[in-house]
Amino acid sequence: AQSVTQLGSHVSVSEGALVLLRCNYSSSVPPYLFWYVQYPNQGLQLLLKYTSAATLVKGINGFEAEFKKSETSFHLTKPSAHMSDAAEYFCAVSVHTGGGNKLTFGTGTQLKVEL
Amino acid sequence: NAGVTQTPKFRVLKTGQSMTLLCAQDMNHEYMYWYRQDPGMGLRLIHYSVGEGTTAKGEVPDGYNVSRLKKQNFLLGLESAAPSQTSVYFCASSYLRGPQETQYFGPGTRLLVL
Repeated sequence: AQSVTQLGSHVSVSEGALVLLRCNYSSSVPPYLFWYVQYPNQGLQLLLKYTSAATLVKGINGFEAEFKKSETSFHLTKPSAHMSDAAEYFCAVSVHTGGGNKLTFGTGTQLKVEL
Repeated sequence: NAGVTQTPKFRVLKTGQSMTLLCAQDMNHEYMYWYRQDPGMGLRLIHYSVGEGTTAKGEVPDGYNVSRLKKQNFLLGLESAAPSQTSVYFCASSYLRGPQETQYFGPGTRLLVL
């Protein structure tokens, strides 16, 4: 069975500082990995996804993530935080089953950006 | 193109009451999903559908039923609501079957069961 662990339920950074949100996965087969963002009172929006084409994945809004198989990690980064980045971020792993693709989500990391 | 829409946005129920949540997508997606989101637990899959007329159980199906009579709609029903079903419910859809496919989410329905 696959699982995802997000270290740190709350992360606070200053505007302009580096954003690093951690995600470690467990999967018995090669995983597909996703980062979703949820702004207050909204649904989830895809930031980026890893599908084995490249280990460094670039997403929207300046975010990127690097797949490291040896560390079973898929950490999300952004060089310079903006106030608009304040949101909750979810890492998810997907494996193929007999019925569509099933996403297993982490518990989320709330990002706070301070002036 | 509205994407994935959910009705209603917010609802308050008393214990034992029933209700149906509606999810609609206009992207011609085959696969649809219902999740619930609870604080500190991420999203958990309730039921899903791989096509019109088919449904299957997810991780937390107890107390819920679903139907997919039309390709664009996926209904989630609570026959006898319980306080433990207080949650935010998200519907999602995807076009293809592979694990690399992106799921597109609706804006959510907040349900409070008293």
